[in-house]
Amino acid sequence: QKEVEQNSGPLSVPEGAIASLNCTYSDRGSQSFFWYRQYSGKSPELIMFIYSNGDKEDGRFTAQLNKASQYVSLLIRDSQPSDSATYLCAVIPPSSFGNEKLTFGTGTRLTIIP
Amino acid sequence: DVKVTQSSRYLVKRTGEKVFLECVQDMDHENMFWYRQDPGLGLRLIYFSYDVKMKEKGDIPEGYSVSREKKERFSLILESASTNQTSMYLCASSFDGARSEQYFGPGTRLTVT
Repeated sequence: QKEVEQNSGPLSVPEGAIASLNCTYSDRGSQSFFWYRQYSGKSPELIMFIYSNGDKEDGRFTAQLNKASQYVSLLIRDSQPSDSATYLCAVIPPSSFGNEKLTFGTGTRLTIIP
Repeated sequence: DVKVTQSSRYLVKRTGEKVFLECVQDMDHENMFWYRQDPGLGLRLIYFSYDVKMKEKGDIPEGYSVSREKKERFSLILESASTNQTSMYLCASSFDGARSEQYFGPGTRLTVT
């Protein structure tokens, strides 16, 4: 089982709709969770981070964490064509506490259809 | 703003050459990381460093070495480049602490012919 799993997509969403991206992780003790966005040919940039169970909102983005079910999701409201990118989920598992190594999923490619 | 810079955006080298990729960060981060990214395989950690002159192997260290002589600079060395090292190389840095996000440089697209 991969440590961090994401559906590779592509996920196609109409402009203006809600895009929902999901990520599951295998290590129950993981504490920190990050969502990165990566445009084609560019490096990843941080969008959201979440540490506590529940929802965290930042503009059109909402991260949701459920530690009991070991999943973290990213919702993008009012999707725009500029949101078309690959979204990477990353976690810091207990084995990396102290050196903050991130374990990345392989990413979900999101396409917003105008 | 955090700035992580990498020495080259594109690099073409021949098989057997020694290759140096350099990364510099300006935010006094303790931790620095080197990844490679390949289609379908995602980001894979090659080496990381949590302090000057300290280094630890990541998931795929074979064929690579690193050097961190100054806090702001982390170099990745390919001792004898091979075609299977053709990839996008990404450097990142972060503060200490379990809640520290990593900031990435722009990447170096290395082609080994």
